[in-house]
Amino acid sequence: AQSVTQPDIHITVSEGASLELRCNYSYGATPYLFWYVQSPGQGLQLLLKYFSGDTLVQGIKGFEAEFKRSQSSFNLRKPSVHWSDAAEYFCALNSGNTPLVFGKGTRLSVIA
Amino acid sequence: GAVVSQHPSWVICKSGTSVKIECRSLDFQATTMFWYRQFPKQSLMLMATSNEGSKATYEQGVEKDKFLINHASLTLSTLTVTSAHPEDSSFYICSSLGPGLSTEAFFGQGTRLTVV
Repeated sequence: AQSVTQPDIHITVSEGASLELRCNYSYGATPYLFWYVQSPGQGLQLLLKYFSGDTLVQGIKGFEAEFKRSQSSFNLRKPSVHWSDAAEYFCALNSGNTPLVFGKGTRLSVIA
Repeated sequence: GAVVSQHPSWVICKSGTSVKIECRSLDFQATTMFWYRQFPKQSLMLMATSNEGSKATYEQGVEKDKFLINHASLTLSTLTVTSAHPEDSSFYICSSLGPGLSTEAFFGQGTRLTVV
């Protein structure tokens, strides 16, 4: 069965510090992987996605993620966090035209 | 990218009444739409898959008679919460795969339903 695990429920980082949000998945083959961000009471915005090819994926707002097949991971990174990055982050996967399976999310707080 | 519009963005209704939520694909035809539910500080849980012109496929544990889904056209899917109860209060989000053979999902803005 497909599943996504985000081990960290809540992370707090200082503004300007680097960020890494963890995501591990369970899937029989190579899935399509996504990272979304959600502000309170809002819908989801796609940050980046991995389908195939280069395992380091660049997204919007300075985010990147690296697909590591050997670790079944797709961690999200940002070198320097801004206060506006505070939000809920969801890792998700699907197998193409199937519905997304989401992780439980990681809430990011940014402190001055 | 493709745009999915969801309406209303929030609604308050009385217990026992029904509420309809609309999800429209504005600039493409959406053969398949997905409906998710999100409880506060929780992840998104798939409720059902809606296919144009056919019956929706519901996930296990989702009451099909309570959450009526209609996908009568290629640009509109609706979710009706019937006989709403306070425990139905939640954030509902629709999603559609992009045009053609796209495997990317596009999300509506979500609907905050509060049943009083």
